[in-house]
Parts: sequence; structure tokens; C-alpha cells
Amino acid sequence: EAQVTQNPRYLITVTGKKLTVTCSQNMNHEYMSWYRQDPGLGLRQIYYSMNVEVTDKGDVPEGYKVSRKEKRNFPLILESPSPNQTSLYFCASSLLGGLEQYFGPGTRLTVT
Amino acid sequence: DAKTTQPNSMESNEEEPVHLPCNHSTISGTDYIHWYRQLPSQGPEYVIHGLTSNVNNRMASLAIAEDRKSSTLILHRATLRDAAVYYCILHNNAGNMLTFGGGTRLMVKP
Repeated sequence: EAQVTQNPRYLITVTGKKLTVTCSQNMNHEYMSWYRQDPGLGLRQIYYSMNVEVTDKGDVPEGYKVSRKEKRNFPLILESPSPNQTSLYFCASSLLGGLEQYFGPGTRLTVT
Repeated sequence: DAKTTQPNSMESNEEEPVHLPCNHSTISGTDYIHWYRQLPSQGPEYVIHGLTSNVNNRMASLAIAEDRKSSTLILHRATLRDAAVYYCILHNNAGNMLTFGGGTRLMVKP
């Protein structure tokens, strides 16, 4: 089954403790992206990647890092999480940049 | 990026057609019109996209005004499972950023 998977689905952590949210897709898509969703603010793009080793900032990249060492994986790294990064995070992928994006199920992160 | 304007919410009766409007008066010639929806507790789901001509797929139809300053997503027979937030998005592919606005919350009554 074609899908985008994210892990973990739920995470509660403390300020400053480094964490990684993994994202993997099995559709051989070149384009992958991370979004966060907050009440009243809609979905905002954090980072995106056009292909392996190619990443670029989205609307809200501060406090986040990404890497794209393999086509199927696009982890989101929070080196020093802060409470304002408490949010619902979605990973997405598509065959062609931006078109027909497939979204993962989401990761709900709480930073205390 | 050009912005879109959608009503905050709409209601429909089950098994009736639903027309979800979107205004995008500042659309550029290279912007595609995309529609996604987000069901409760799920990630967004691609619905349809178009450039100039009307488009149909198994989920919905997209009607695009001749001047491209507005578009309408048409669900031909709404079901309870269509209750979701529907997002109208402009994307020029070159920029690779997908910007989601507030969307329209569709409520379907049995």
C-alpha cells in the first residue's frame, strides 16, 4: 500500500531535549515536505526537499533541521525543542514538486 | 504567493451536491489551483487540481472561471464521510511551497 509513515505518532518531551521525528514514504517520490498545524494558523510549511541532498526552507524553519540522505526518508530534527514548537506535524511527499502531495497521519508533539 | 479566500464553513444535506467556492483574484498565469481536504484527526488528502479547464476525477469536479479569479469544487453527492475542512491552494510548481489558508469546514447533515 502506498503510504507515508511517521514516528512517533505522539510525543511528550521537555524543553531542550533533542528529538527526531521520522518520515518515510514507499512511493519513490522525489519531493518531501514537513508542515506544522496550529489552531487558527492552518498548515505552515517548515522545510521541503526536491531530492536527495537537496533541502530548502519553508515558511517557518526556525528551530528545525532536516536531512535527506535517502530518497524514502526525510527526518525532522528539533535540536533544542521549546514550548512554542508544541504542534501537530505532518510529513508529505509527491512525485513532482508540490503536486498531489500524500500526507502522513501526523505526529502530535508536546514540549513542556 | 497569491492568496485564496474561502467561506469559513458550509452546510449540506447528505446525498445532495455541494459547491465549495474559492476566490483567487491575484492568481498568476502559472498558478495551478489545488484542492485538499482534511478529515477529522487525519492528514490532508489531495482532492483535485487544475490550471484552466474544468477537471473531473473520482472524488470531485473542479470548475474554473474563465478569468481564473475564482473556482468551485463540486462534490456531486455529499456523504457523511465528506465532512472535512476543504482547502483551496494556489501553487506554481516552480516555488515548491504549498501554502494552506483557513479552508472551509463542510458539515454534512443526514
